[in-house]
Parts: sequence; C-alpha cells; structure tokens
Amino acid sequence: QKEVEQDPGPLSVPEGAIVSLNCTYSNSAFQYFMWYRQYSRKGPELLMYTYSSGNKEDGRFTAQVDKSSKYISLFIRDSQPSDSATYLCATSLMDTGRRALTFGSGTRLQVQP
Amino acid sequence: NAGVMQNPRHLVRRRGQEARLRCSPMKGHSHVYWYRQLPEEGLKFMVYLQKENIIDESGMPKERFSAEFPKEGPSILRIQQVVRGDSAAYFCASSPGVVDTQYFGPGTRLTVL
Repeated sequence: QKEVEQDPGPLSVPEGAIVSLNCTYSNSAFQYFMWYRQYSRKGPELLMYTYSSGNKEDGRFTAQVDKSSKYISLFIRDSQPSDSATYLCATSLMDTGRRALTFGSGTRLQVQP
Repeated sequence: NAGVMQNPRHLVRRRGQEARLRCSPMKGHSHVYWYRQLPEEGLKFMVYLQKENIIDESGMPKERFSAEFPKEGPSILRIQQVVRGDSAAYFCASSPGVVDTQYFGPGTRLTVL
C-alpha cells in the first residue's frame, strides 16, 4: 500500500466547474499537508499548505484536511483552462531530521473551454 | 528574488558515463532536497542536505548515487556509471528553515542512451 493514494485521473471538466481533488494517507504521523501544481515538463509549484485539520482558503482554491479519516482535498472554484495541469498532494512529518515530502502520484486535470 | 535554479535542464548520457546535476537554492535558503520523478510515477524523495552536511539520505540508491552541498557553490547530485533506468526528471527543492515549505526548481531531465 502506498503511503499517499491519489486517483491519477484524467479528470475532465468544463470551464467554470468546481473541481474536487482528493488524497488519502496511511501514516497518522504525517502533520504537514501540501498541494502542488505541475504543468507538463515543469517543476512543481506550491499552491497551498496547512498544518491542521479544517479548511484553508486562498482565492479560488480551498484545501481541506481531515486527520481523523486521513483525507485531504483541494477544491478549485470557477475552474479555468489555465488550471489544466497535474495536481500533486504531499505530506510530511514535523521531524526536523526527516523533512522528506511523500507525494501522491498526481491527478491530471483538464479544463475544457 | 530568483527561484531555485537547476542546470543543465536537459542532460544526455550514454550508459556507463557520469551525470552531474546542479542546484542553486533560492536566496536565503540553506536547506536543499533532491527528488526523482520516473516516467508515469510520482515524485520520490532522495536526499536532504544542509550546507556541508547530509541530513537524510534514506531515499538514495545505495550505489552510484551521491550528493553534496558545499559551503560555497551549488548542491550537486552525482550519478556514476549511469544505466537506462536512471532516465528521469530530477528536481531540487529548497527551504529557508527546517520546518518551512519546499520550493521546487524546474528540474533536470536525464536521458540515458
């Protein structure tokens, strides 16, 4: 079993739709949660990060963490064709000597104009 | 403020040659991380370094791979005697402190012929 599971997609939605991207993780010691966006043949770009359960909003993006069920989500409102990319969830421990990010495999999103 | 810089962006090597990948962290960042992304797979952690120290190399293959982050100059990921299975995108990330978020560079795409 992978430590972080993520549906690879592809997920295709019309422009303006609300997008829901999800990950589950198995290690309850993970304390730090991130979403990255990666365009084709580019480096991952940090979108959101959070330490705690609950919601965190930034513009059209909302990150949601439920530590009790080990479930993390990213919602994109009013999706745009420019949002078409692969979205990676990532987690890590808060151990100062172990800062490795554990990534999901990524969900490929296509927003149709 | 320039982002994380990696060079070369593309590197072609024949089997048995050495590959050297360079990473300059963002200004003010003293923590460097290397990740590998194999085709159709997620990002996998390789090594975490601070200036002149390897902090966590739990993701590094036991043979042929080494990394350094000298007092002066960029971090180097070195792969000796490359094989076709080493073909991948190698990403470097940096952070200003121990518990801060990691920002990724554009990656080096290594092709082994």
